[in-house]
Parts: sequence; structure tokens; C-alpha cells
Amino acid sequence: DAMVIQNPRYQVTQFGKPVTLSCSQTLNHNVMYWYQQKSSQAPKLLFHYYDKDFNNEADTPDNFQSRRPNTSFCFLDIRSPGLGDAAMYLCATSLQKINQPQHFGDGTRLSIL
Amino acid sequence: QQQVKQSPQSLIVQKGGISIINCAYENTAFDYFPWYQQFPGKGPALLIAIRPDVSEKKEGRFTISFNKSAKQFSLHIMDSQPGDSATYFCAASSREKLTFGTGTRLTIIP
Repeated sequence: DAMVIQNPRYQVTQFGKPVTLSCSQTLNHNVMYWYQQKSSQAPKLLFHYYDKDFNNEADTPDNFQSRRPNTSFCFLDIRSPGLGDAAMYLCATSLQKINQPQHFGDGTRLSIL
Repeated sequence: QQQVKQSPQSLIVQKGGISIINCAYENTAFDYFPWYQQFPGKGPALLIAIRPDVSEKKEGRFTISFNKSAKQFSLHIMDSQPGDSATYFCAASSREKLTFGTGTRLTIIP
């Protein structure tokens, strides 16, 4: 089945230690998104790629960066995680940018020690 | 103006009943309105979506009602089942960004 796959499902890192989360898709979608979702809250968009064009949300901390080496893969890098960065990180894809359904992976739950 | 207001925050419905979740928006540029269902430990899954040129869309037990003049839309779940227990998010899209409502935790009791 075509899908959005996130690895790992659970990630534990230490305060200040860089961490990378990964997302892959078999849908061949042009757009890939990264969201942060904290407990009992809605997903919050961090950034998205339309093909290779990177779009950062204005309020996304500089601590968060992303890479998309090819159509299928996208990475979220957190350079110096703080306690407030503990959350579920969701990857999503859509075929095009405008008014298209977004397909989500099951997320990576990040814990900070 | 980018907000989508969702209510109620939590909802308990008896099995077989109708679950109703409401959303309201201000931005008239929104032109795509999806609903997502999220189970614990899972990502949101698209349930049903509507565009503002129609007032109602039905898929199985799920119906979206859309009132463009009032800038409101709602999700109705008919014959609610325990398996429908989840968190539901409405959302609205303008150009490339999806704005989510705050979510409704739905519990269906036997």
C-alpha cells in the first residue's frame, strides 16, 4: 500500500543533543510537510517542501531545520532540543500545494531527557 | 482571521446516536474544508472534505454540512459506534496552508 512512513516511532534524546527524524513516502506526492503536535492540541505546521522549494513558517524556531534529498524522503533536524520540543512530530504529503488532501504518517514521539 | 474555532472540546454520545461537531471560521479565502480523525498514537486520517460550492456532502455515516453565509461547517456522525471514539479535527485551507481547529475528543458509550 502506498503510504507515509515515519521512523523511528519513538525517539528519546538528551537535552541539547541533535536529533534527526525521517519520513518516506511511496505516494509520489510533490509536497511534504512537517507538523509538531503536542498533547491534546492540533498539529502545528513547521515547514513544507513543494518539490525542492522550502517554505518555513514564520514562527518555526531556528532550532528546527529540514532536508529533502529526493522526492521520497524528508528529514527533520532539531539542532539543540529543549524540553519544550518534546512532542509528536507528524509528516504529511499532498499531491499538490493547493486544496489537496494531506496524508499523514503515524508520527514520531520525541522525548527529551 | 486565520483561526478555525471548533466545539465542543469533548463529546460523549451513546451508541447509535448522532454525534455533531461544529466549526466556524472568519477568513473568506478558505476554500477547502477537510475533517480528520485521529486515534491515540496515530496520525490524523482524512475522513471527509467539502468545498464551499456545495452545502452538504455525505459519505456513509459521515456528513458535512456547510453554511457559507454563516461561515460555519459541521460534521455529523450517524449511528455512532464505539469504534468512532477518537479525536476529530476540522480544518480549512487557503492556498497552501491547512489551518486546524482545536479538536474534539469523541467518546461513544455502549
